[in-house]
Amino acid sequence: GESVGLHLPTLSVQEGDNSIINCAYSNSASDYFIWYKQESGKGPQFIIDIRSNMDKRQGQRVTVLLNKTVKHLSLQIAATQPGDSAVYFCAEKGGSYIPTFGRGTSLIVHP
Amino acid sequence: DAGVIQSPRHEVTEMGQEVTLRCKPISGHNSLFWYRQTMMRGLELLIYFNNNVPIDDSGMPEDRFSAKMPNASFSTLKIQPSEPRDSAVYFCASTWGGTRDNEQFFGPGTRLTVL
Repeated sequence: GESVGLHLPTLSVQEGDNSIINCAYSNSASDYFIWYKQESGKGPQFIIDIRSNMDKRQGQRVTVLLNKTVKHLSLQIAATQPGDSAVYFCAEKGGSYIPTFGRGTSLIVHP
Repeated sequence: DAGVIQSPRHEVTEMGQEVTLRCKPISGHNSLFWYRQTMMRGLELLIYFNNNVPIDDSGMPEDRFSAKMPNASFSTLKIQPSEPRDSAVYFCASTWGGTRDNEQFFGPGTRLTVL
């Protein structure tokens, strides 16, 4: 989910579990979506993307699902590892070269 | 490639002082973005250059902020005079702008603290 307050929503999982991070996007005209991972002290890093003509896209241990009807995006991480601990952002584009970023979700993986 | 390079990594200054943040984009990239990140507002786009020309500066908060890109390999973001509310992490990102959906590569950021 997305936060409108001072604190990011947080997802805590055990190592080895699957994680699901959700994102609600705002622009029904958006046709391209990206997930970024931001580790502490670093800049956001591209993980995976999906275009609006797809419902699902898989990468290495990650899957992105897109539900255009309800303007919802999710990132699934399989067999979550401590190195997956980070803040995850979704971003959307709709005709512009400039992405609109969500507020982010903090993922904490406990060994 | 070394990726997007930003300097300094940390800057602590006093209110009223001028601050200059620097960015070297990835070689061959022709689009450059400056972002500001705070807990309150998240990641905000400040300005976007394409082929060294500012395309969209609507995110620049006020006249105290200015950005330049004198050549394809260097950009600066200047704040003069700085204020405590400017404290944030400032990111530079670059991409090849020939296609809308090319990946943006972010630098490590500059953490600015204005006392």
